[in-house]
Amino acid sequence: GAVVSQHPSWVICKSGTSVKIECRSLDFQATTMFWYRQFPKQSLMLMATSNEGSKATYEQGVEKDKFLINHASLTLSTLTVTSAHPEDSSFYICSLAPRDYNEQFFGPGTRLTVL
Amino acid sequence: GQNIDQPTEMTATEGAIVQINCTYQTSGFNGLFWYQQHAGEAPTFLSYNVLDGLEEKGRFSSFLSRSKGYSYLLLKELQMKDSASYLCAVLDSNYQLIWGAGTKLIIKP
Repeated sequence: GAVVSQHPSWVICKSGTSVKIECRSLDFQATTMFWYRQFPKQSLMLMATSNEGSKATYEQGVEKDKFLINHASLTLSTLTVTSAHPEDSSFYICSLAPRDYNEQFFGPGTRLTVL
Repeated sequence: GQNIDQPTEMTATEGAIVQINCTYQTSGFNGLFWYQQHAGEAPTFLSYNVLDGLEEKGRFSSFLSRSKGYSYLLLKELQMKDSASYLCAVLDSNYQLIWGAGTKLIIKP
């Protein structure tokens, strides 16, 4: 399968600061990228989908001005949590999908703790 | 609305066989995935079914019936390391993944 990296693996920040999370595909070009959030003991919640050459599509209830997603290239996507608050503390996971959609490859996740 | 149902938790014994069921109601269907997720880690891919029938891959097998909106994941020769959550997800007509809440599988010696 494909290799997806995420950086950082974990981050602790103060309330009100912004945090950028990077998601990289190391060995294939990803036309579609997904950002998920997962709270403890809950399932994955899709936050947004970005497709090659277009802006991200945000799921209902996800503030696009707070969670900035940039699909910078076919191998890099970034999620910036702006003005983070303690309720934003969660496990953020990116996934990448090749053109044929028959598999999604997940990054290792980033655990964000906002104090 | 779109819905994926799977049991919340299951318990099985090391060395035994366990079947985790998943039923779905989605707008369109472009395949069903099973993922394994250990606590604190990202999901890892187990299987993908788009045609009816059984797909076998080592100790894990996945079955799909599109007419019934039903799938199961079968785990044989259970090992302690199989203790994890198992997530069922369906790719809908818009190629969006609809996720189930996951089934926590507890393996006892």
